[in-house]
This record gives sequence, structure tokens and C-alpha cells, in this order.
Amino acid sequence: ELKVEQNPLFLSMQEGKNYTIYCNYSTTSDRLYWYRQDPGKSLESLFVLLSNGAVKQEGRLMASLDTKARLSTLHITAAVHDLSATYFCAVDKNQGAQKLVFGQGTRLTINP
Amino acid sequence: NAGVTQTPKFRVLKTGQSMTLLCAQDMNHEYMYWYRQDPGMGLRLIHYSVGEGTTAKGEVPDGYNVSRLKKQNFLLGLESAAPSQTSVYFCASSRPGSYNEQFFGPGTRLTVL
Repeated sequence: ELKVEQNPLFLSMQEGKNYTIYCNYSTTSDRLYWYRQDPGKSLESLFVLLSNGAVKQEGRLMASLDTKARLSTLHITAAVHDLSATYFCAVDKNQGAQKLVFGQGTRLTINP
Repeated sequence: NAGVTQTPKFRVLKTGQSMTLLCAQDMNHEYMYWYRQDPGMGLRLIHYSVGEGTTAKGEVPDGYNVSRLKKQNFLLGLESAAPSQTSVYFCASSRPGSYNEQFFGPGTRLTVL
């Protein structure tokens, strides 16, 4: 059974600092997705990672995938308040139809 | 384009009542999904559909039924609501292919008393 674990679950940081969110998963998959959710809102797609060594960057966020270690990271560079949100990783079960298993989410708070 | 829409946005039910949640998408996507989101547990897949007239079970299908009579609509039914079904329900849609992300609706907050 595929399990997806994120850490930390809660993260409070200051503007300007760097930090990394980790996403570990338990069975083989080479398809991983990162989503952002603002409080009371829906989920917004951030990155799609489809192969070992994949790296995607958008603004202050960079995501990577290591399928051998079954690990993805979401790195935040020089955080700004607007990045405060909950971040989810989701792993495809590779059973067709893009059946995703989500991590618990990391609630990120960035303080001025 | 409206994207993915959900009706209703909020609903309160009594135990044993039934209801249907409607999801509609205007992006001509083949795949549609229903998830529930509970605190501290991320999203869990309830049912999904890979095309009009087809449905399949996800991780947590018990107590729910679905139908996809039209490509653009995906209905989630609760025949006899239970307090354990109190949750936020999200619908999503996507094109086939791993490189295509899922697009999510705004969610329905359901409370079962």
C-alpha cells in the first residue's frame, strides 16, 4: 500500500529565510505532484515531476524528485509572506487514471 | 472558462438523510475524481471516472455512490449520511496522461449532525 509522508507538518519561518519541505513515499513511483492550498480555498497545481532527477522551479519555489530514495523536496528560497499556505505532495499509484495518494500537508506560515 | 464548479458550497444534513453533490467541468476533461479532505489527513480519493458512463472505487468508497452520465458532470451521492462523512469534498478533473495535473473545484463543506 502506498503511503506518503510529509515533514514537517507545521513550519513557521521568517521572511527572507530558506527552508525545505520533504515528501517521502513508500512504494515505487516516478510521478509526483505538488499542490498549494490557501485557507478555505481549493488546491492549485504547482509542479509535475515525472522522472528521476526531475527539477522544476517557479519563482522562489523549486521542487525535485529522487525516485531511488522515494523522496521529493520543495525548497523555498528567501521566503515572502505571500507563500504562506498549506503545501501537499501527491504520488501517483501507477495503476492508471492518475490515482493520487496525498501527503498530510505542510502548513507554512511566513512571518514578516 | 469556469473550470471546475461544485454545487452546493455548504450543506448541513441530519444522520440518515441523503444528498447529491454535483461537479461540473467545462475543460472537456476525460478523467474526474471525488476526494474528501479531513484535518491532518490530506485528501483521500473516494471514486473516480475515466470517461462518460464509467466509474471506479478509490481509497474510501464506502457510503458513497457516483454517476457520470455526461462527460462534463460527475455526481457524488450519500444515500444515508453519517457523522463520519462530515468533511470537505473536492472534485477534480484532468486529461489522460501523467504529465497533466488535476484541476480542483472550490469544495463543498458538509456537516452531518
